[in-house]
Amino acid sequence: AQSVTQLGSHVSVSEGALVLLRCNYSSSVPPYLFWYVQYPNQGLQLLLKYTSAATLVKGINGFEAEFKKSETSFHLTKPSAHMSDAAEYFCAVTSDSNYQLIWGAGTKLIIKP
Amino acid sequence: DGGITQSPKYLFRKEGQNVTLSCEQNLNHDAMYWYRQDPGQGLRLIYYSQIVNDFQKGDIAEGYSVSREKKESFPLTVTSAQKNPTAFYLCASSSGSASPLEQYFGPGTRLTVT
Repeated sequence: AQSVTQLGSHVSVSEGALVLLRCNYSSSVPPYLFWYVQYPNQGLQLLLKYTSAATLVKGINGFEAEFKKSETSFHLTKPSAHMSDAAEYFCAVTSDSNYQLIWGAGTKLIIKP
Repeated sequence: DGGITQSPKYLFRKEGQNVTLSCEQNLNHDAMYWYRQDPGQGLRLIYYSQIVNDFQKGDIAEGYSVSREKKESFPLTVTSAQKNPTAFYLCASSSGSASPLEQYFGPGTRLTVT
């Protein structure tokens, strides 16, 4: 069965520094992959998705992620962190049946001034 | 504007009472989902529905019930059998076809049971 691992429940970076949030999945078949962002007391918003086209995917708010099949990874990056990026980020992968999403536990991004 | 609405935003109930959370979408999506979110945890699937008049249990369905009588509506009832109902509840929908499982979320309902 599919599983998703997000390394680090909390990641802290300084404003202007590189943001790197890690996501690894378990699958022998390349799945569809997603990154979502959640601000406090709100629903989730799609940041970007990988659907077997380009391996480098650009999303909203300056985020991007690279699909690496050999490493079964889909890490999220942003070159320069902004205070408004402080939120919780979730990685998700399609299930074997393709009718559900399997979710990582989330990573809370903290931005230091 | 198309989207998903959940009401109310905050809900308070006494222990032993059933409570129904509303979820409505005008995206013309076939599939709808209910998730539970607890502090420091990810999303756990309660129920999902791929089509009207049909739904399946997710990972934590015990103590919950749903109905799907209309395409745009998927209400969730938290029954008195749910031992720890206090949580943040999220409703989502997806087209279930062309765009592979991209889910759109409502703003959530925070339920507090005392």
